[in-house]
Amino acid sequence: TQLLEQSPQFLSIQEGENLTVYCNSSSVFSSLQWYRQEPGEGPVLLVTVVTGGEVKKLKRLTFQFGDARKDSSLHITAAQPGDTGLYLCAGGYSGYALNFGKGTSLLVTP
Amino acid sequence: EPEVTQTPSHQVTQMGQEVILRCVPISNHLYFYWYRQILGQKVEFLVSFYNNEISEKSEIFDDQFSVERPDGSNFTLKIRSTKLEDSAMYFCASALEGLNEKLFFGSGTQLSVL
Repeated sequence: TQLLEQSPQFLSIQEGENLTVYCNSSSVFSSLQWYRQEPGEGPVLLVTVVTGGEVKKLKRLTFQFGDARKDSSLHITAAQPGDTGLYLCAGGYSGYALNFGKGTSLLVTP
Repeated sequence: EPEVTQTPSHQVTQMGQEVILRCVPISNHLYFYWYRQILGQKVEFLVSFYNNEISEKSEIFDDQFSVERPDGSNFTLKIRSTKLEDSAMYFCASALEGLNEKLFFGSGTQLSVL
């Protein structure tokens, strides 16, 4: 099992601030996905990145896949209370099921 | 929007009892998964299922676990003799295309083994 380390584990910020969370591994992934999970719900996919160096934007969220396809970051601009949740990264190998990190729990206060 | 549905939302059982967790994946999806999440821990892969057979399983998925797609709509996870450490949130997921494509997760079944 390939380990995915996410940091920070917890993050509490004020509305309007920017933040970056990280997902790191010693393994190379064929794809990496970011999910958001709210209490009592299943994870919801935000984005999939597959190419080293790839950058994808989803409104105020910017996702980047590392050049070596071992790490990824999620940057949120001008965070809002609605961004509160658990952000999970999950790495995939071709032909094998996704392996999840423990997640970053984000709290955005008004 | 189509969604994955899971029943029951909560299941309480005695240690040693059998439980069946039920899932209805999105109708045109071909790949099905079970994951679990113990409180405070990461989402862990249990098993993937495609073309009416298991395509991959983790170390967690031992002989006490089994999956079945008894008809064209349901996908079930059976735990034959539950243990205390089986207490977790169990998520079903489905995907239209190949492994590691966009997974749609259900809301989960919270299993409590007493």
